[in-house]
Amino acid sequence: DAGVIQSPRHEVTEMGQEVTLRCKPISGHNSLFWYRQTMMRGLELLIYFNNNVPIDDSGMPEDRFSAKMPNASFSTLKIQPSEPRDSAVYFCASSLAWGQDKETQYFGPGTRLLVL
Amino acid sequence: GNSVTQMEGPVTLSEEAFLTINCTYTATGYPSLFWYVQYPGEGLQLLLKATKADDKGSNKGFEATYRKETTSFHLEKGSVQVSDSAVYFCALSDEWESNTGKLIFGQGTTLQVKP
Repeated sequence: DAGVIQSPRHEVTEMGQEVTLRCKPISGHNSLFWYRQTMMRGLELLIYFNNNVPIDDSGMPEDRFSAKMPNASFSTLKIQPSEPRDSAVYFCASSLAWGQDKETQYFGPGTRLLVL
Repeated sequence: GNSVTQMEGPVTLSEEAFLTINCTYTATGYPSLFWYVQYPGEGLQLLLKATKADDKGSNKGFEATYRKETTSFHLEKGSVQVSDSAVYFCALSDEWESNTGKLIFGQGTTLQVKP
């Protein structure tokens, strides 16, 4: 399996622009998580989905952030408009809710976002 | 609610030294416990896990034992290498949302190993 795939790997944009981050979870996994990592705040859970349904978005910083999971193999995290304080590494992770590997999250390589 | 507390870093050791990174947790039930490692420029990856009290997880020379009496899951390695330099995260499963796979992570501990 290719693991969790994220794109783009790097994104540089200007303040006010829309940014879309993409994630393809491991095939067969039914939970998907979006995290943000910064030096100041560490690793933060933004939102997670179970069976394509958003379960908890309480970690989403504000209304500028939105996430969707239209099907089991694809999710997006959108920031509109972007601000310099959104600069961070954004990780996507997926897991399976049953079996021996239950609860183990598999992380993608991350998207490094820089908002100028 | 459930929470995880790790020792603050950075932890700086010489090669072949003994490593301990402390992790304690708060939970009302019986969560699974995890150690994840993040190498520079990469995502987190599972290092080891334990699913019940007294279980010992081990991988790549690292070990951690699930101690319910002390609510701890300390990470140990007998002889560290420069290649072990990374950030280590302790985590536990969220018992109330165990069907979703949600994990609660500690703040991470940076390990620097010098030759």
